[in-house]
Amino acid sequence: RKEVEQDPGPFNVPEGATVAFNCTYSNSASQSFFWYRQDCRKEPKLLMSVYSSGNEDGRFTAQLNRASQYISLLIRDSKLSDSATYLCVVNRATTNAGKSTFGDGTTLTVKP
Amino acid sequence: DAGVTQSPTHLIKTRGQQVTLRCSPKSGHDTVSWYQQALGQGPQFIFQYYEEEERQRGNFPDRFSGHQFPNYSSELNVNALLLGDSALYLCASSGSGAADTQYFGPGTRLTVL
Repeated sequence: RKEVEQDPGPFNVPEGATVAFNCTYSNSASQSFFWYRQDCRKEPKLLMSVYSSGNEDGRFTAQLNRASQYISLLIRDSKLSDSATYLCVVNRATTNAGKSTFGDGTTLTVKP
Repeated sequence: DAGVTQSPTHLIKTRGQQVTLRCSPKSGHDTVSWYQQALGQGPQFIFQYYEEEERQRGNFPDRFSGHQFPNYSSELNVNALLLGDSALYLCASSGSGAADTQYFGPGTRLTVL
């Protein structure tokens, strides 16, 4: 079993739709959590950090459930430009040596 | 402010050869991590350098080695290349805290023939 698991999709949605991605992690010592976005043949770019209280950035909402070891990303009012692969990332708790473990990503295609 | 830079952008090698990839971190960052991303997969952690020492290592063989220089730039060396080493190699820099976010460079695409 992989340490970070994501539904690979692909998710194909129309513009304006709401879509949710899920991610589970197996290491209970994990301390920090992120969503990255990766466009085709480009480097991953930080989309948002994920906090226990949940956090929102415009159309994007991230939530963390430590008890269930589950992270989610909700995208509202999808735009064509949201088409990308979304990577769930988990960091361990070791100070000054935060190894990042990535999921394999969920692919989103937003269609007109 | 320059972000993370990597060189070269593309590289073609043959099996058995050796390769060196280079990374310059974002200004103000002292920690450099290297990742390998095969097609259709997420990046896999190779190792991380801080204060010129390897701090953590992923599940990669000793053929993968690295170095960090006093200016925080870093190199990734791969010896005895295999076909399976073909991938996008990503460098990421960050501050030294565990919760510090990582910023990735554009990557080096290595093809082993």
